[in-house]
Amino acid sequence: DTAVSQTPKYLVTQMGNDKSIKCEQNLGHDTMYWYKQDSKKFLKIMFSYNNKELIINETVPNRFSPKSPDKAHLNLHINSLELGDSAVYFCASSRPFRGGLTEAFFGQGTRLTVV
Amino acid sequence: KQEVTQIPAALSVPEGENLVLNCSFTDSAIYNLQWFRQDPGKGLTSLLLIQSSQREQTSGRLNASLDKSSGRSTLYIAASQPGDSATYLCAVRGSTLGRLYFGRGTQLTVWP
Repeated sequence: DTAVSQTPKYLVTQMGNDKSIKCEQNLGHDTMYWYKQDSKKFLKIMFSYNNKELIINETVPNRFSPKSPDKAHLNLHINSLELGDSAVYFCASSRPFRGGLTEAFFGQGTRLTVV
Repeated sequence: KQEVTQIPAALSVPEGENLVLNCSFTDSAIYNLQWFRQDPGKGLTSLLLIQSSQREQTSGRLNASLDKSSGRSTLYIAASQPGDSATYLCAVRGSTLGRLYFGRGTQLTVWP
C-alpha cells in the first residue's frame, strides 16, 4: 500500500488553465505539506496543514490554493497557470511536530509542464 | 535563514567503493536531519533520520553522522552497488512547524 499518493503523476497543460493535484496519505498523520522542486532540483516548502488548519504559507502566488477536506487529504489547486509553474510538486506528511522525532514521508511527485 | 549545502554535487564511482556524502547547514538550531534518496522520476525515500541529540544512525550499509555544533552531517555508503545510483538529499528540520530545509543533493552514479 502506498503511504503518500499523488494524482496525477504527470500533468501537461496550456498557459492560463486551472488545474488541481490531489494527495492522500494512509499513515494516520495529522500534518501534510506541499513542496515544489524546481528545474535545478531544489526543493522548497509551499504550504503545510495540521489537522486541516493552514500553518505554513510561504511566499507563493495566490494563484496557488491548498485545500484540506480532511486530515488525510491535501489538494493543490492552481489558477491561471504560467510557464514558470512548471516543476515537480511533492506532497508529504508527518505526525504533528514532536521535535526530533518528526519524520516526513513523501509522495512520488507530480511533474507539471505548462506549455 | 537556514541554508543547506551538499558536496559534491555529483559523484561517479566503480562498484564496491566506500563513499562519503557531505551536508552542511548554517543554523545549528535544528531538531533533526533526514537523508533522502530520489530516483529519477520518482519520489523521495527516507533513508535515515538523526535527532539533534544523536551522533549517528545506521541502516544496513548506510551510516549517517551528525555534528550539530559545527553544522555538518555525512552519509557513509559502504560497498557501493549500481542500485545505489540516485540523488541523495539532505534536509534539516529547524522550526516548530515541521518545515524541512533541503540541500540541492548529490547525484551518485555507481558503475559495474
